[in-house]
Amino acid sequence: GNSVTQMEGPVTLSEEAFLTINCTYTATGYPSLFWYVQYPGEGLQLLLKATKADDKGSNKGFEATYRKETTSFHLEKGSVQVSDSAVYFCALSDSTYKYIFGTGTRLKVLA
Amino acid sequence: DTGVSQNPRHKITKRGQNVTFRCDPISEHNRLYWYRQTLGQGPEFLTYFQNEAQLEKSRLLSDRFSAERPKGSFSTLEIQRTEQGDSAMYLCASSSLDGAPQHFGDGTRLSIL
Repeated sequence: GNSVTQMEGPVTLSEEAFLTINCTYTATGYPSLFWYVQYPGEGLQLLLKATKADDKGSNKGFEATYRKETTSFHLEKGSVQVSDSAVYFCALSDSTYKYIFGTGTRLKVLA
Repeated sequence: DTGVSQNPRHKITKRGQNVTFRCDPISEHNRLYWYRQTLGQGPEFLTYFQNEAQLEKSRLLSDRFSAERPKGSFSTLEIQRTEQGDSAMYLCASSSLDGAPQHFGDGTRLSIL
């Protein structure tokens, strides 16, 4: 079946460091891919998405490229801020449009 | 756009009791989804509606769980005879079109004593 695998956290970085959170997927067909962010005490917010191979999603300095050949959708940011501290979820949307999520990666950014 | 609203935010109940949660999607969103999230895990799909029709249910949704979406607007999720393992965050999401990103509510946290 379809699945999403994320790197385990927590990831602890200093402010202005480079961020990579790995995400790989297994799916039949051509799923859409998403990154959602969850701040403490809040619901999931869409961060970025990509709907086909080689698409790059970007938002708020975060980027991720849909790589069909490596079945990956790694999240990157060039310079993280303390306010980026949150839990990040990678997800795919299957043929019925329901989401399958990874287990989440907690990011902690230190000033 | 007032966002997806879920009530209550927290529910504490004794094992064996019935509980009901409500979700109000973004107006005019015809798709509504329920997910369950346990500590340290990603959300897991439970069920979804297109308008008032319930189109898919996960194997996670035992016979004790029932969801409705009368008139294709708000939705309710009921759990009968709650068990310790039902303790989780229950998330609702809605979307406007096939393939459009889902918008999530803040969830209802259920704690079973």
